[in-house]
Order: sequence, then structure tokens, then C-alpha cells
Amino acid sequence: EPEVTQTPSHQVTQMGQEVILRCVPISNHLYFYWYRQILGQKVEFLVSFYNNEISEKSEIFDDQFSVERPDGSNFTLKIRSTKLEDSAMYFCASMRLSNSPLHFGNGTRLTVT
Amino acid sequence: DAKTTQPTSMDCAEGRAANLPCNHSTISGNEYVYWYRQIHSQGPQYIIHGLKNNETNEMASLIITEDRKSSTLILPHATLRDTAVYYCIVRVDKAAGNKLTFGGGTRVLVKP
Repeated sequence: EPEVTQTPSHQVTQMGQEVILRCVPISNHLYFYWYRQILGQKVEFLVSFYNNEISEKSEIFDDQFSVERPDGSNFTLKIRSTKLEDSAMYFCASMRLSNSPLHFGNGTRLTVT
Repeated sequence: DAKTTQPTSMDCAEGRAANLPCNHSTISGNEYVYWYRQIHSQGPQYIIHGLKNNETNEMASLIITEDRKSSTLILPHATLRDTAVYYCIVRVDKAAGNKLTFGGGTRVLVKP
């Protein structure tokens, strides 16, 4: 069964550094999402992406965050200048049609020191 | 999207059916009920979804009341690997795609 893959599984970075989290969505999917989960807290929506543009973003997704679909297969989340509070699991998800389920990857654990 | 209310936690016995309730009394006519689960910090896993009819797949059954104000996810024969946090989410269909909004879910512990 096709799945969403995320790399790396664990990323350690220093405060103030830029980090790029990578995702390969399921190949025929059209909608893409990033979520995050701080340890012990809820899964939080960050951003959705459709037709090569952001369709919705949350308050968390400020100017430090950006997303890109640089080619036909990858979907990336960039954090320009990481803060300690950015430490979390980041989940990528994709969806084929607008009324179909989201499928999630197993996440990247980001640790900011 | 309508809010949902789920028990914080529940235990169930291995091999028995697990019935997970969800209340969504403010659901609108065009909102679907989705169930996901999250096993120990893995990514959320899709289980099942429905609009108003009962649904069944290889993982579970979804029973939606006639007034659609509540639903029950049934895991027919719970195994230890079903220990997870289960999320009931209602979502409206939008042409540009719509996010899922996760609440706290129900922490299910399957015991031997």
C-alpha cells in the first residue's frame, strides 16, 4: 500500500538555524498538509497546500515557516530560524480528493537545542 | 468544523469488541465523521469515515445515529496492537480541501 514518507526521522538543530523537513506524498494525491505535535500535546494543523499554493494556514504558521513543492514528488517545510519551542514531531499528510481521507507519514522529530 | 466529545480514556479486554463513543451534537448536514488513531507518537492512521450510513471496513465499523449527533467506532476483536489514542473528527468537505482538527481523543488500553 502506498504511503507518505518523511525524512529525516530525527533532526537535531541549534537555535537560530534553518531546517528543512522533507516529505514524499502518495503519488496521485493533490492536497498536502503539515501538522505538528509538541510532546504530550494535541496534533496541530500548520498549513494546507493545493494547486501550488497555500490554501489555509494556522496562527502557528508565521513568517518563519514556508512550504514548497519543488518538483512533482517532494513537499517541504522550511523553518528559517528555529526556536526552542519549535521542538516537536512534524507530520506530513496528503489527500487524493477533497472528500477523501488524509494519509499521514510517521513524522520527523525536530529537536532544537 | 463541529466539535466532538470523547471519553478521555478507556480499557478493553483483548479479544473483545471495543466500542468507542463520540458525541458531535452540533454536526452540520455536510460534515463527515472521521476516525483516526495514533499509536505511540507515530503518524495518525486513518481508520474509517462516514456521512450518515453505517460503514465497515477491514479495521472497524462505524455506527452513526440517525440524528447524526453521535457515533460509535467498533473494533470487533481488540488486540494489544490496538492500544492507541483514537480521534473522532468531524470535517466539512471543501473543494480546496479541508484540514482535520484533532482534539484530545480517547486513550484506549487493550489489556490481556
